Amino acid sequence: DVKVTQSSRYLVKRTGEKVFLECVQDMDHENMFWYRQDPGLGLRLIYFSYDVKMKEKGDIPEGYSVSREKKERFSLILESASTNQTSMYLCASSSGRVNSYEQYFGPGTRLTVT
Amino acid sequence: AQSVTQPDIHITVSEGASLELRCNYSYGATPYLFWYVQSPGQGLQLLLKYFSGDTLVQGIKGFEAEFKRSQSSFNLRKPSVHWSDAAEYFCAVVPYSSASKIIFGSGTRLSIRP
Repeated sequence: DVKVTQSSRYLVKRTGEKVFLECVQDMDHENMFWYRQDPGLGLRLIYFSYDVKMKEKGDIPEGYSVSREKKERFSLILESASTNQTSMYLCASSSGRVNSYEQYFGPGTRLTVT
Repeated sequence: AQSVTQPDIHITVSEGASLELRCNYSYGATPYLFWYVQSPGQGLQLLLKYFSGDTLVQGIKGFEAEFKRSQSSFNLRKPSVHWSDAAEYFCAVVPYSSASKIIFGSGTRLSIRP
């Protein structure tokens, strides 16, 4: 079974802190994704990566950055956390094979910024 | 504008009753279509997917969905719901041009009445 793990289930940070959210997948997937999930808005794509050291902006990249130094690990960074970044963050991965679009999700990190 | 619409925010059905969750999309060509389920406190799990071929697709946990091109719809159904089906359900599409990006609907929360 594909396993996607996220470093924390719950996280509380203060405004202005630098925050790292880590995601690791064990299926050698090429593609990795970071989403945020807010009530009534579904999942919105923050950043994604097709390969090591490659990244692309999603729909809401402002206030975030990412790092992918190894194939299995994709980190989301909040350079200076703000209260409007309080949300559920979901990481996902998918194979890079043609027509393979199924994404596998981690359990999520619920981040509260106070 | 391209979009995925789930018109029902919250649905309550009695245990043992039938279920239909609605999903409509607006894209020029038929995209790839998915339904995901998110149980409380969990990440998302794929229920079923449609790429081409038979317009009635079977998924896990007794769910099925029917693609109707004329209505741009991909509604999810289950003939008899169980209390464990209480969760949030997301319809999602991969437009042809998206290169593995998935666009999610805003979700429908399903509650089960004992």
